Amino acid sequence: SQQGEEDPQALSIQEGENATMNCSYKTSINNLQWYRQNSGRGLVHLILIRSNEREKHSGRLRVTLDTSKKSSSLLITASRAADTASYFCATGPNSGYSTLTFGKGTMLLVSP
Amino acid sequence: SAVISQKPSRDICQRGTSLTIQCQVDSQVTMMFWYRQQPGQSLTLIATANQGSEATYESGFVIDKFPISRPNLTFSTLTVSNMSPEDSSIYLCSVQSTGYNEQFFGPGTRLTVL
Repeated sequence: SQQGEEDPQALSIQEGENATMNCSYKTSINNLQWYRQNSGRGLVHLILIRSNEREKHSGRLRVTLDTSKKSSSLLITASRAADTASYFCATGPNSGYSTLTFGKGTMLLVSP
Repeated sequence: SAVISQKPSRDICQRGTSLTIQCQVDSQVTMMFWYRQQPGQSLTLIATANQGSEATYESGFVIDKFPISRPNLTFSTLTVSNMSPEDSSIYLCSVQSTGYNEQFFGPGTRLTVL
């Protein structure tokens, strides 16, 4: 079964608004990564947050991690039409192979 | 981040045939991964490919169906054998950066089996 579960499954907003996507997971992790995928193409790596970090920023992106609640959020501020994509969280395990387990993704639509 | 290319970018194949997908990285990497993304779904790991050893397959994936080669530290291939329409998916390779655990993905190969 999938490790991560994103919500909402779909999000529709207007340009300029903020978009918040959430991810929950079940087991201990070493890190959590967020990716963007445009129209079924390859995944673009957005940000990695380690289990000992609580918040990271990258441009208009803000990611938080709460290991006590096993959840993470991705905030995109001042969204643009070009942000329209599917967003996935993926967790890296605490031990063993460095494989990622992906959530189901949130489809974000930003309307001009 | 590593620059990853895949060939072909897309293909339409007939049932019962096989397709080999190539993944090329612009730097040497220890671990390469192959994922499948079925239509409208998330990514599922097929196998981990390390140079000089057999690939490690995830539950539900077998070597006879998805043979993998890893001849050197910059290249890998995934073959989808004896294809059926259920194999229609996007296949993606990824590599892990050294030291930081980030994984970077290739552009994917969109496979349609008729």
